[in-house]
Formats: sequence, C-alpha cells, structure tokens
Amino acid sequence: RKEVEQDPGPFNVPEGATVAFNCTYSNSASQSFFWYRQDCRKEPKLLMSVYSSGNEDGRFTAQLNRASQYISLLIRDSKLSDSATYLCVVNIRSSYKLIFGSGTRLLVRP
Amino acid sequence: ETGVTQSPTHLIKTRGQQVTLRCSSQSGHNTVSWYQQALGQGPQFIFQYYREEENGRGNFPPRFSGLQFPNYSSELNVNALELDDSALYLCASSFSPGQGEDFGPGTRLTVT
Repeated sequence: RKEVEQDPGPFNVPEGATVAFNCTYSNSASQSFFWYRQDCRKEPKLLMSVYSSGNEDGRFTAQLNRASQYISLLIRDSKLSDSATYLCVVNIRSSYKLIFGSGTRLLVRP
Repeated sequence: ETGVTQSPTHLIKTRGQQVTLRCSSQSGHNTVSWYQQALGQGPQFIFQYYREEENGRGNFPPRFSGLQFPNYSSELNVNALELDDSALYLCASSFSPGQGEDFGPGTRLTVT
C-alpha cells in the first residue's frame, strides 16, 4: 500500500464548479500536511499547509481528519488557471522527509 | 518566483556514466532535499541535508550521493547510471526540516 494515496483523476469540470480532492495517508506518525500544485512540465509549488482545524485561502479550503488519516482540498468557483495536478504531501515525525502522493489531475473547461 | 535554481536544465547521459546535478537554495534556507520524479508520479524523496549533514534518506541505493555547501548550494551525484534513472530531479529548500519546501525547476535527466 502506498504511504499517500490519491485518486489520479482526471477531474474534468466546467468553469465555476466546485471540486473536491481526497487523500489518505497510512502512517499515523505523520505530523505536517500540505497541498502542492504542479503544472505540466513545471516544478511543484506549495499551495497551502493543512491544519487540524481546517484552513481556507481564498477559493481553496483544506481539511484534515487525523482519526481517519484523511486530507481534503476543496476548490470553489474553478478557474481555467486551476487546471493542474494537485499533490497531497505528508511529513513523518522524526524523519522530516516529505512523502508525495501521485497527484490528482484537474482540467477546468470553458 | 522561486528562489531555488538548478543546473543544468536538461542532460543526456549514457548508461554507466556518472552525473552531478547542482542546486542553489534560497538564501537562509538551511535545509535542502532532492527528489526524483518519474512521469505520472509524485516526487520520490532521495535525501535531505540540514546544515551540511545528511538528515534523512529515502529508498535509493548508495550510488546516489549528495553534498550541501555553506553557501546554500548543493549537489546530487549519481554513479553508474541506469536507464531507470531517467527522470526529473528536483531540489527543494526550506528554513528547517519538516516545513513546506520551495522547489527548483528541476533537471531532466535522460539515460540512454
């Protein structure tokens, strides 16, 4: 079983739609959580950290459920520019390494 | 715009050769990590350096080695290249281990 699992998609949605991505992680010692965005043939870029209380940044909302070892990302009012691959990332306590999921691809159509 | 730079952008090598990839971290970032990303996959952690010492290592063989220098630059060395080493190699830096990291644009290595 992969340490971080994501639905690969693609999610094909119209502009203005709300879309949600889910991610599960297997190591209960995971202590930090992030969502990264990666455009085609570009490097990953940090989108947002994920906190236990949930957090919001504009149209983006991240949630963490430690009991279920589950992370989500909600994008409201999708824009064409949101088309990218979204990577779920966890950091394991004591090892400091970041473990990436394989990513979920989002396509926003006009 | 990311402050992390990498060189070269692209590289073609032959199986069995050795390669050195370079990275310049953002000023003040004491931690640098290297990742390998195959097509359609997420980045896979190779190793991390913190204040010039290896701070953690992923499931990569010893022919993958690295160095971090006091001027926030670092190197990834790969010996005895194999065809499966063809991938995008990403360098990422942060102020300290465990934080969200800023990635460089990567070096695309092709082994023939």
